[in-house]
Amino acid sequence: QLQLQESGPGLVKPSETLSLTCTVSGGSISSSSYYWGWIRQPPGKGLEWIGNIYYTGSTYYNPSLKSRVTISVDTSKNEFSLKLRSVLAADTALYYCARFTRDGHNPNYMDVWGKGTTVAVSS
Amino acid sequence: EIVLTQSPATLSLSPGERATLSCRASQSVSSYLAWYQQKPGQAPRLLIYDASNRATDIPARFSGSGSGTDFTLTISSLEPEDFAVYYCQQRTNWITFGQGTRLEI
Repeated sequence: QLQLQESGPGLVKPSETLSLTCTVSGGSISSSSYYWGWIRQPPGKGLEWIGNIYYTGSTYYNPSLKSRVTISVDTSKNEFSLKLRSVLAADTALYYCARFTRDGHNPNYMDVWGKGTTVAVSS
Repeated sequence: EIVLTQSPATLSLSPGERATLSCRASQSVSSYLAWYQQKPGQAPRLLIYDASNRATDIPARFSGSGSGTDFTLTISSLEPEDFAVYYCQQRTNWITFGQGTRLEI
């Protein structure tokens, strides 16, 4: 059974870089059928898509975050990562990694989710 | 950006009743819409994709309908475990979510 697990620091200082990793187990990240990506949820609020990556390295980013986000993949470790630069208090959220179904060249829907990891931005 | 507006914000019903949740898109998303269920302390779970297709292991009491800009998630007879927050999501133009509907007893 496919499982995703987020890891990374739970506290980041303002203006620094948030770095998270998602480790995939029970399946290969190199599957041609899926994208991989990140979603976040501020406390008490709704869901926000951050971006996606395909195992080849091609990426899609939320236009509102694109200038600060980088998503990368390491197929040898079966994991992918998120970097969010110049963080603000508004970036405080529960960060999820997920597997996205794929249709042609686009990510579609999130069919497997990690449990999420909380990141607080505070000095 | 395509904005998804869900209504009502909160729906109060009892077990055994029928629930109807709405999601309206600011422009057509064709049938490229999904519904997710999120319980407290858990990650969202995919219920419906492409407007009307149930995801794996989703009970038949969950159904989706609609196309273009207006979509509905129906739960035919509420079970106690169905009380949660529901989100819609589109994939036509990037990926965006609705703000959620809280289904409460």
